Amino acid sequence: GDSVTQMEGPVTLSEEAFLTINCTYTATGYPSLFWYVQYPGEGLQLLLKATKADDKGSNKGFEATYRKETTSFHLEKGSVQVSDSAVYFCALNMIYNQGGKLIFGQGTELSVKP
Amino acid sequence: NAGVMQNPRHLVRRRGQEARLRCSPMKGHSHVYWYRQLPEEGLKFMVYLQKENIIDESGMPKERFSAEFPKEGPSILRIQQVVRGDSAAYFCASSPSGANEKLFFGSGTQLSVL
Repeated sequence: GDSVTQMEGPVTLSEEAFLTINCTYTATGYPSLFWYVQYPGEGLQLLLKATKADDKGSNKGFEATYRKETTSFHLEKGSVQVSDSAVYFCALNMIYNQGGKLIFGQGTELSVKP
Repeated sequence: NAGVMQNPRHLVRRRGQEARLRCSPMKGHSHVYWYRQLPEEGLKFMVYLQKENIIDESGMPKERFSAEFPKEGPSILRIQQVVRGDSAAYFCASSPSGANEKLFFGSGTQLSVL
């Protein structure tokens, strides 16, 4: 079935370091792809999304490009801040009229040290 | 505009008791999704509801679990005769329409079964 695989955490970086969190997916069709972020004690928030191949989603300095040929949607940020410390979830959606029915990866915890 | 409200934040039950988890969607949102997050795993879809209707319950365990979203009041996820394996974080999310892919999540209910 459809699935999402993320790199395992925790990922620990120093402030201003470059971030990559890998995400690959398996899907029978052409999914929409998402990154959600969960800050401590809060619910998940949509960070960015891409709905078709070669689309790039971006928000708050984070970027991810929908790569159909490698079935990937890696999250990147050029210079992380302490405030980026959170758990990041990659997800996909296959059903247009059930836009909230998402398949999530297991999450990657990011810790940024000053 | 208040966000998605879930209560209680923490719920402790003994084996065999019932658990009721409540979710009030954002104002104007009539679509609600429930997800479960087991330890060390990603969020797993459980059920999708609109007002007074269950649209997709393919992720719900066949026994002991039920969900409703009445015309008035919050959505309720009910777990009867809880077992230790039900211990998890339960998240509710809402959206303004079925095709809308941006979900707004609550902060979750952490259920602990003793």
